[in-house]
Amino acid sequence: DQQVKQNSPSLSVQEGRISILNCDYTNSMFDYFLWYKKYPAEGPTFLISISSIKDKNEDGRFTVFLNKSAKHLSLHIVPSQPGDSAVYFCAASVINFNKFYFGSGTKLNVKP
Amino acid sequence: GAVVSQHPSWVICKSGTSVKIECRSLDFQATTMFWYRQFPKQSLMLMATSNEGSKATYEQGVEKDKFLINHASLTLSTLTVTSAHPEDSSFYICSARDRVRNSPLHFGNGTRLTVT
Repeated sequence: DQQVKQNSPSLSVQEGRISILNCDYTNSMFDYFLWYKKYPAEGPTFLISISSIKDKNEDGRFTVFLNKSAKHLSLHIVPSQPGDSAVYFCAASVINFNKFYFGSGTKLNVKP
Repeated sequence: GAVVSQHPSWVICKSGTSVKIECRSLDFQATTMFWYRQFPKQSLMLMATSNEGSKATYEQGVEKDKFLINHASLTLSTLTVTSAHPEDSSFYICSARDRVRNSPLHFGNGTRLTVT
């Protein structure tokens, strides 16, 4: 039973354009959401998070949007750079429970 | 810099032997650490939650006698793959969270295990 889903296994974007990565969840108790970036043979690196009391959080080129009614979050990367090419995982948690559920990942390819 | 250190980064072992993987939190105390496994082109699968000073909590379908977890101190958890078989070959990643600072989950760099 996958509680966090990333339905797009891959995404290809031209350098300089916007990358939009999507994530859906089913558990309405989730109140803390994160995005991670992962290169092959490395552990995931934390990018940005958002709690359920917000609908947007911005950090430089990265913005995460949360739509609680739709149980949907997205990560926007603007402008996209070739170095952003990696697999991106979204994750969700009930904050006090300290247990995180991950989506299956979206492989982003930013073309020069 | 890295806040969670994992060692070794890769290991090759023969079938039937055991392999120990270490996970350390570098600048915080972690009463809880998590062990994940990643299959090729798949998501991170939570294997178990390692609890300092008590037994680990295993996810459904994960054999606790196969994957031994010890969390003897507030900065160290170990995962031992016992009597390894080729199907245990995978990428194992640990993670921990600094609850005091309310930090996000930080991951180690993972261990690539190959069982021949």
